[in-house]
Amino acid sequence: NAGVMQNPRHLVRRRGQEARLRCSPMKGHSHVYWYRQLPEEGLKFMVYLQKENIIDESGMPKERFSAEFPKEGPSILRIQQVVRGDSAAYFCASSPYSPNQGLNTEAFFGQGTRLTVV
Amino acid sequence: QKEVEQNSGPLSVPEGAIASLNCTYSDRGSQSFFWYRQYSGKSPELIMSIYSNGDKEDGRFTAQLNKASQYVSLLIRDSQPSDSATYLCAGTGASKLTFGTGTRLQVTL
Repeated sequence: NAGVMQNPRHLVRRRGQEARLRCSPMKGHSHVYWYRQLPEEGLKFMVYLQKENIIDESGMPKERFSAEFPKEGPSILRIQQVVRGDSAAYFCASSPYSPNQGLNTEAFFGQGTRLTVV
Repeated sequence: QKEVEQNSGPLSVPEGAIASLNCTYSDRGSQSFFWYRQYSGKSPELIMSIYSNGDKEDGRFTAQLNKASQYVSLLIRDSQPSDSATYLCAGTGASKLTFGTGTRLQVTL
């Protein structure tokens, strides 16, 4: 049973380009979280999705950032017109249940995508 | 007020001692709590989950939850140098999994 898969592991983009980060959840998991982490800082919540539905995007910047989790295929975090301040590690985590379902809402992380904007 | 708060540390303990990591949360509706370990440059790894008041033990790790005080803790017994990492506390609110900023633990020889 493969874990959470993120790709690419490292991504370099020039200012103004688009970055597309992919996350395939663990088998049987239908909930995905995206987090951003700067060096020596904590995990900052960005967005929480179920398949075909955005549940909470309160941590997403209003412009340039979008996320989706289609019925088939991986979850995608898309950053348009990247700027140097977007350089960070982006982690996704998957869970089999939603946070308000009580037990067994454990979330497991992928290896992350390190985005560098030059 | 942050939803989940931790002391950033570093917390330094000698090898073989007990490390005590603490976390408070503000959302009384939170039901589930987790401790993750993150080594530098790596992704967070789930080490403990706790859902009800009291203690939960797993090997050298014990998680404690007190919902009345909105307090979660992690005890690491017989600390080893390999336990040196950042420990992240997380709790579930109605719609998301929220993390504290983490406590850096250093286990010294």
